[in-house]
Amino acid sequence: AQRVTQPEKLLSVFKGAPVELKCNYSYSGSPELFWYVQYSRQRLQLLLRHISRESIKGFTADLNKGETSFHLKKPFAQEEDSAMYYCAPPRAAGNYGGSQGNLIFGKGTKLSVKP
Amino acid sequence: KAGVTQTPRYLIKTRGQQVTLSCSPISGHRSVSWYQQTPGQGLQFLFEYFSETQRNKGNFPGRFSGRQFSNSRSEMNVSTLELGDSALYLCASSLAQGSNTGELFFGEGSRLTVL
Repeated sequence: AQRVTQPEKLLSVFKGAPVELKCNYSYSGSPELFWYVQYSRQRLQLLLRHISRESIKGFTADLNKGETSFHLKKPFAQEEDSAMYYCAPPRAAGNYGGSQGNLIFGKGTKLSVKP
Repeated sequence: KAGVTQTPRYLIKTRGQQVTLSCSPISGHRSVSWYQQTPGQGLQFLFEYFSETQRNKGNFPGRFSGRQFSNSRSEMNVSTLELGDSALYLCASSLAQGSNTGELFFGEGSRLTVL
């Protein structure tokens, strides 16, 4: 079964400091991973997906197959980055029909950027 | 384009009662997934529906059930409510079943409190 781990429940940094939110996964296939973000009083929304190799709001995430990690990084954190961040694996083809069990998100990391 | 709409937004029930939550996906989206969000466990997958059929199911007891209608609207039902069922229930829609783009569009959620 897929498994994703976000080891930090809370991460607190000062404005302008670099930030790295950790995500480790276990996945038998070729992984595609995503980061979702939930700002205060807003809906959970997609932040970025590794396959597009894009940078959104200054955030990037590199898939490291050797370390099975997909850490989210930003060189200079801003106060508006304060939010809940979830790492998420894809829905694998093997999950169709319910035979593979859970589709999971990590438990999330709450990022707090202080002024 | 209207976003994912969930009703009711808030509700309070007592132990032993049952509850039905409703989700209207984005127009054209045929896949609807349900998640339970709690501070301790994060996002936990309940089930996914596509074309009126349950395609995937998480590790929740049989008290949790759902269905999808021909217009893609979905409902989930929780019977014999327990205190631990208090949570934010999120619905997410996507274009296709198990979309590998990974983009789920979330509703604002239905916050259930069980007393």
